[in-house]
Amino acid sequence: EDQVTQSPEALRLQEGESSSLNCSYTVSGLRGLFWYRQDPGKGPEFLFTLYSAGEEKEKERLKATLTKKESFLHITAPKPEDSATYLCAVRYSGGYQKVTFGTGTKLQVIP
Amino acid sequence: DTEVTQTPKHLVMGMTNKKSLKCEQHMGHRAMYWYKQKAKKPPELMFVYSYEKLSINESVPSRFSPECPNSSLLNLHLHALQPEDSALYLCASSHVSGGSTGELFFGEGSRLTVL
Repeated sequence: EDQVTQSPEALRLQEGESSSLNCSYTVSGLRGLFWYRQDPGKGPEFLFTLYSAGEEKEKERLKATLTKKESFLHITAPKPEDSATYLCAVRYSGGYQKVTFGTGTKLQVIP
Repeated sequence: DTEVTQTPKHLVMGMTNKKSLKCEQHMGHRAMYWYKQKAKKPPELMFVYSYEKLSINESVPSRFSPECPNSSLLNLHLHALQPEDSALYLCASSHVSGGSTGELFFGEGSRLTVL
């Protein structure tokens, strides 16, 4: 069964304490893996697209990487404004017009 | 600022009411989506329009009726909803290229409460 799983469900970090979020997927024919940030009551905000194993993307304190089975979102020296829910999503050959979301990781960065 | 605009931001309706949610994008995208999101859950796909034609309906009850009048507009007509339909309704759009579509860009959502 096609699945997208994120871990941990929640993560609490001190400001400046780096960490990583995980997104593992079991789909056939990955056509794109996306990372989003969502603030409470708002729509998801697009961060990155990764297409193939070995690919990396960076934006400010965030770096996304992709392997054949999982993706990581590395957060370096986070700040309180990085607090949000981070969602990964996949598009795959079985349903290329669909984007299926993982359950998300709620990140809280404490000053 | 998001380039996908949703109205209204908040909507309260009774179970016998008829209302509509509206979505507009000006990015030239030819694929548009409706997602439903319950509290502490990820967005769940409802409908996909590609080149103004309905291409995916994820077995959504008929009390939800989508409409795509043109490439920039997407509506979701609501009728005889149930309290469990209360959720954040998200509109999104994406490019279509070579039969495949890219990343989604979301609006701020419409918070629906059904009494």
